[in-house]
Order: sequence, then structure tokens, then C-alpha cells
Amino acid sequence: QVQLVASGGGLVKPGGSLRLSCVASGFSFTDYYMSWIRQAPGKGPEWISDVGGSGSPISYAASVKGRFTISRDNANNSLYLQMNNLRAEDTAVYYCARDAELIWSGYFDHWGQGAPVIVSS
Amino acid sequence: EIVLTQSPGTLSLSAGDRATLSCRASHSVNSKYLAWYQQKPGQAPRLLIYGASSRATAFPDRFTGSGSGTDFSLTINRLEPEDSAVYYCQQYSMSPITFGQGTRLEIK
Repeated sequence: QVQLVASGGGLVKPGGSLRLSCVASGFSFTDYYMSWIRQAPGKGPEWISDVGGSGSPISYAASVKGRFTISRDNANNSLYLQMNNLRAEDTAVYYCARDAELIWSGYFDHWGQGAPVIVSS
Repeated sequence: EIVLTQSPGTLSLSAGDRATLSCRASHSVNSKYLAWYQQKPGQAPRLLIYGASSRATAFPDRFTGSGSGTDFSLTINRLEPEDSAVYYCQQYSMSPITFGQGTRLEIK
């Protein structure tokens, strides 16, 4: 069965950096776009970035462009999110999610369990 | 970007009732590129509806999605206690992908 296991969350000071990882199993990882989606406490989800199966194309939400970098290692079925210059408003649970179709569809049929990120001094 | 506004914020109904949740888009959503998700406390969202009206296999036919353009709805018939959750709509018609703020459904 499809599994997405995220890790790397934690407490970080404003201006700091963090790298999230997501290990995928149960499907052909290279066939699917993958996204990072975050959810601040009490809010709806916010899509922040996606990457094609081969490592491109890559897209970012305006709120993280220039600060966050998405990447993937298909040999190890892994997705990453490098987060730099973190701000208090980046505090959220970060989910990795699989696009639902073999070509980009934009909706998500499998989500990881979430990695909490707290940005606070 | 397309802003999705969900109403009501909270819906409190009894088991056996019918729930109707609304999702209104600030701009027309093309080709019914609208999804619904169910989220229970401490869990990730689960895909419920895609293409405005296609139901994910894990959910029974009590759940129905409908609508087009800027007005979409999710109807849940014969409510059961396990339907208590927050429901989010999401559009994938225009970049960036956006989600609504959610409707909390409580089963009395």
C-alpha cells in the first residue's frame, strides 16, 4: 500500500533553516508529481510546492518562493523540502502528498502523516 | 489566485440528517477541477471527491459532490457519528492550488 513518511520537523528560531524529508513506498515514485502542503494551526491547508517525477518542473507558492527549495531523490524514493530564512508565519504541520494521477492533476490522493514545524525564539 | 470561501463555518446536525456544505470560488473553476477532503483531528486530509463529483473509493455513496463554475457543494446523506470532521474544498483549475478554510461538521 502507498505510504508517505515525513520527518525532520522541529523547533527553529526565526531566520533559521530546516530540511524536511518524505520517504515514499508502495508505488512507482518516479511516475508521480509530489507536493509539500502545510497547515497552520486552525487553518486550511496551503499548497507550497510541487515537483515533477523526473525532478522538474518545479513550482512554488509566492509565500515561500526564494526561501524554500523542493527536491527529490528517485533512487531512494525520497522527497525533500529545504526551508531557509524561516519566519513565525511558517509555523505549521508540513505534509508531503502524492498527486492523484500519472500526469499532473493537482489533487492529492495520498498524504503523509505530517511533520510539525514551529518557528519561535 | 482563486479564493475559496466555505460555509457554514460549523454545522451541527444529528445522526441520520443530511448535511449540505458549500464552497464558493472567487473566479470560475474550469472543467470542474474541484476536490473535497475530510480531515479528522490529528490526521492528514483524506481525498473524498475530485472532479467536483467523482467519489474516492474509500467513501460510501452517502457522499455526493456537485456544482460548477463558482458554486460547489458537498452533500452527506444519512449522517453517521464517524462523519464528524472538518471538510475542505480545493481548486486545481488555476495556479496556485488553493484550499478553502473548512467547514466543521459536528454530529450531535
